[in-house]
Amino acid sequence: GDSVTQMEGPVTLSEEAFLTINCTYTATGYPSLFWYVQYPGEGLQLLLKATKADDKGSNKGFEATYRKETTSFHLEKGSVQVSDSAVYFCALSGDNYGQNFVFGPGTRLSVLP
Amino acid sequence: SQTIHQWPATLVQPVGSPLSLECTVEGTSNPNLYWYRQAAGRGLQLLFYSVGIGQISSEVPQNLSASRPQDRQFILSSKKLLLSDSGFYLCAWSQAGGDYGYTFGSGTRLTVV
Repeated sequence: GDSVTQMEGPVTLSEEAFLTINCTYTATGYPSLFWYVQYPGEGLQLLLKATKADDKGSNKGFEATYRKETTSFHLEKGSVQVSDSAVYFCALSGDNYGQNFVFGPGTRLSVLP
Repeated sequence: SQTIHQWPATLVQPVGSPLSLECTVEGTSNPNLYWYRQAAGRGLQLLFYSVGIGQISSEVPQNLSASRPQDRQFILSSKKLLLSDSGFYLCAWSQAGGDYGYTFGSGTRLTVV
């Protein structure tokens, strides 16, 4: 079945450091790919998405490019802030009915001042 | 615009007591609805999903049940809570068609004592 693998962390960075959180997937067909962010004590929020190969999703300084050849959707940010401390989930939607949504295990990011 | 409401935000219940968590969606019709559980420090586990009134699919056998009495209402229940039912419960909705991703509620922190 479809699956998502991501580095589980925790990832600890200093403020203004460069961030990469790796995400790779296994899926049949052509899934849509997502990154969600969960701040402490809150639900998940959609951060960005890409629906086809070579698409780049971006939001709040974060970017991820849908790479079909490497089945990857790595999350990057050029300069992290303390307020970016959260858990980040990579996910894919494997069909057209929204029922086959697969989440990665989540990566906890801590940004230190 | 669409919104999702989930309540209560926190709940402390004794072992053996019943449970009812409610989730409602506004601003859309015929959404797909989901209940997830997130154990402390762990990823998301899909518990139930529903594609229509009265239609419930269970992903894992457990002490919980779900119901959808109205198009935009999704209820998670238990007749007798166990200690292992403690966790963070998240409701989510999506449109049919995976490109849209999921929108999550703010979650319910359940502690069974």
